[in-house]
Amino acid sequence: DAGITQSPRHKVTETGTPVTLRCHQTENHRYMYWYRQDPGHGLRLIHYSYGVKDTDKGEVSDGYSVSRSKTEDFLLTLESATSSQTSVYFCAIAEGVNTEAFFGQGTRLTVV
Amino acid sequence: SQQGEEDPQALSIQEGENATMNCSYKTSINNLQWYRQNSGRGLVHLILIRSNEREKHSGRLRVTLDTSKKSSSLLITASRAADTASYFCATDTGGSEKLVFGKGTKLTVNP
Repeated sequence: DAGITQSPRHKVTETGTPVTLRCHQTENHRYMYWYRQDPGHGLRLIHYSYGVKDTDKGEVSDGYSVSRSKTEDFLLTLESATSSQTSVYFCAIAEGVNTEAFFGQGTRLTVV
Repeated sequence: SQQGEEDPQALSIQEGENATMNCSYKTSINNLQWYRQNSGRGLVHLILIRSNEREKHSGRLRVTLDTSKKSSSLLITASRAADTASYFCATDTGGSEKLVFGKGTKLTVNP
């Protein structure tokens, strides 16, 4: 299995609080992605990174920010969590844009 | 809106039958990938087909790509109960480095 871990795996937080999800890889892959998965919507891209300090927005980036200060870590931050951000979040890594992606196990976030 | 759209949204078949899922996309692509997701788990890569390829096989999987119609199909032959999962197509978006997924097809294979 590709070396990719997400933390935490589960989190319950209150509306208005900041939340940071972490994606850690040991594969030295260049690309890292954050997705959210909701019923009826499949996977939607939030943000992605194509190198250290190089990030860009995806389809549903409003309310989210990311940082990648080193190759192995990609952080997703919800500055002020809302109930609409209740979802399962997946991180993925890829060596190149035209290669297969490897997924983490997901983080189930509930905003109450 | 999302780049890829799978069809049908749900498919239920009997063990031993073939399952066909389709994916349509909007922009030009360099490659198209298919992934599988078992309930509650992360996605697992199945197969990648490049834009200059028309067909690719991997075990019981057969993928076709028609760039003129901006569509792909995934065929699973002689399905098994263990093939029960959701299947997603994913594409780059031509000029960008995004990897964008569709909404998926939920396949149920009844024993």
